[in-house]
Amino acid sequence: QQQVKQSPQSLIVQKGGISIINCAYENTAFDYFPWYQQFPGKGPALLIAIRPDVSEKKEGRFTISFNKSAKQFSLHIMDSQPGDSATYFCAAPFSGSARQLTFGSGTQLTVLP
Amino acid sequence: NAGVTQTPKFQVLKTGQSMTLQCAQDMNHEYMSWYRQDPGMGLRLIHYSVGAGITDQGEVPNGYNVSRSTTEDFPLRLLSAAPSQTSVYFCASRSRPLISYEQYFGPGTRLTVT
Repeated sequence: QQQVKQSPQSLIVQKGGISIINCAYENTAFDYFPWYQQFPGKGPALLIAIRPDVSEKKEGRFTISFNKSAKQFSLHIMDSQPGDSATYFCAAPFSGSARQLTFGSGTQLTVLP
Repeated sequence: NAGVTQTPKFQVLKTGQSMTLQCAQDMNHEYMSWYRQDPGMGLRLIHYSVGAGITDQGEVPNGYNVSRSTTEDFPLRLLSAAPSQTSVYFCASRSRPLISYEQYFGPGTRLTVT
């Protein structure tokens, strides 16, 4: 049973458009919500992360929006570029004391030139 | 720093064969973990370690063994490979949670079991 549910599975956006990927979680004890970016043939890498005491965090063209009451967090990519084409994963701490991360199923983003 | 390194990059096994996937990190991270990545399933945690001599099961541990004799190395063993273990395997490491949650991933090992 996945503890974080991610949508959509795939997304196609025109260059300059806004890409939005959503993630829902169930465990209200989660206290850290990252997004990872993965290019083909590479391992995932941390893109941006948020803690639940803030509702939004922005880093360049990437923004996380966090809705604690709805138990959802979203990744927004403004002015999407072809170089943003990658697979994006949301994650949250796995239950247990070691705080390992459990990941969503991934969203394959394609930005058309 | 090399970061997290994994060998081999590719491997083909026959059903029933055994092998060890190697993982090493040079960042002095206490926490290390193994994930498998399958289409539509995301990354699923297999086993993890919070320090030398300490390991624990993740979400999908069956069919895999791990050990952690040093801080640097965290090998993953498949004792009797099955086609269901065909996947891309990623090793990751990070500091203790009080320092950072950021996971550093290796480049992956693509395993095919026929």
